[in-house]
Amino acid sequence: GESVGLHLPTLSVQEGDNSIINCAYSNSASDYFIWYKQESGKGPQFIIDIRSNMDKRQGQRVTVLLNKTVKHLSLQIAATQPGDSAVYFCAGLYSGGSNYKLTFGKGTLLTVNP
Amino acid sequence: DAGVIQSPRHEVTEMGQEVTLRCKPISGHDYLFWYRQTMMRGLELLIYFNNNVPIDDSGMPEDRFSAKMPNASFSTLKIQPSEPRDSAVYFCASSLNRVHGGYTFGSGTRLTVV
Repeated sequence: GESVGLHLPTLSVQEGDNSIINCAYSNSASDYFIWYKQESGKGPQFIIDIRSNMDKRQGQRVTVLLNKTVKHLSLQIAATQPGDSAVYFCAGLYSGGSNYKLTFGKGTLLTVNP
Repeated sequence: DAGVIQSPRHEVTEMGQEVTLRCKPISGHDYLFWYRQTMMRGLELLIYFNNNVPIDDSGMPEDRFSAKMPNASFSTLKIQPSEPRDSAVYFCASSLNRVHGGYTFGSGTRLTVV
């Protein structure tokens, strides 16, 4: 089915440590994944994306890894800062022919302790 | 660019009343999406438009919900009559095209039905 799920609902890390947020998906037909960050009282904000023909993509302090064999992706945040505290969502795009819509996971709450 | 603009930010209404949520997408974006966010169900796609035409409304909960996009710069989501279970944060998002799936979200409308 078109489900995108998360392994952990909460993650607490110390400032300066690296964070890893995981996500599993079930539909192998998905061809595009996105990570979003949502701060309190705001809408989700695009962080980084990856296509299914890639297994790794890096941004500024963030890296997304995609393992198509086990249908798993992760978001790594280097040197986590207090400003990184937010809910992180993975989302999958299931093109499904003419349809074009993102399906979001439930989210992981990241708390960065000073 | 002012981003995706939603109004109102907060809405409190009594059960049975009509509620209208408004959205102005980013100029030039061909796609517009309405999502609902709750703690229990996360982010759910309600409906999306392409070039002002509704493409997929399979996520609209029931006939009490309706959405329109009379032109490229404006969309509404209407609930009539509203019920307490409709209480949620409603997000509007827009996207330039389907090749890049990075939606830009508005700040949301927090709806409370009492």
